[in-house]
Amino acid sequence: GAVVSQHPSWVICKSGTSVKIECRSLDFQATTMFWYRQFPKQSLMLMATSNEGSKATYEQGVEKDKFLINHASLTLSTLTVTSAHPEDSSFYICSARGAGGETQYFGPGTRLLVL
Amino acid sequence: AQTVTQSQPEMSVQEAETVTLSCTYDTSESDYYLFWYKQPPSRQMILVIRQEAYKQQNATENRFSVNFQKAAKSFSLKISDSQLGDAAMYFCAYAPGGGATNKLIFGTGTLLAVQP
Repeated sequence: GAVVSQHPSWVICKSGTSVKIECRSLDFQATTMFWYRQFPKQSLMLMATSNEGSKATYEQGVEKDKFLINHASLTLSTLTVTSAHPEDSSFYICSARGAGGETQYFGPGTRLLVL
Repeated sequence: AQTVTQSQPEMSVQEAETVTLSCTYDTSESDYYLFWYKQPPSRQMILVIRQEAYKQQNATENRFSVNFQKAAKSFSLKISDSQLGDAAMYFCAYAPGGGATNKLIFGTGTLLAVQP
């Protein structure tokens, strides 16, 4: 149980385009989802927290107009990187947590390369 | 503010041997959770073990066990009978209890190498 999927696993895009990453909880209802960014050989950096049906809460320094997060259902959250630039190239990971639970279960991550 | 410290950037262990990864944390909360996550080269974060702060008994999961010292704010991970597949980055993490959107606070990680 507690499986989280992420799609796509790899994406290459041109500078200026937008990219959408999907995060799905496959076998449980995720009342809260989290989006992280990870640079090589570093720990995970939390970007934002989203609760189903509510606006996401962004961490300090994360541009909410650039990283749009939607948590429209209890099994799906999306992260859209708008007008992507090379500096947005990174590894993006989502996690999901069920109601009353304290454990976050992670998706496999998405590698984004902006040319 | 809560912090998590992993003082060992890299560790190495021989196959079949035992290794202990260190983690300390700082918090003024009494209700919280501690986790160890494993991140192999695939970069998928995998939950290894979890400990509730109110439980005195140390959590165990097969070859993985923790030494939870609440007063010392220490949460080390012991891997017994190490296997090649245990090679990965290990992150210690803290989450406060009782809230609706409790965030995980990660340590900087320990890269574990397993020598055949």
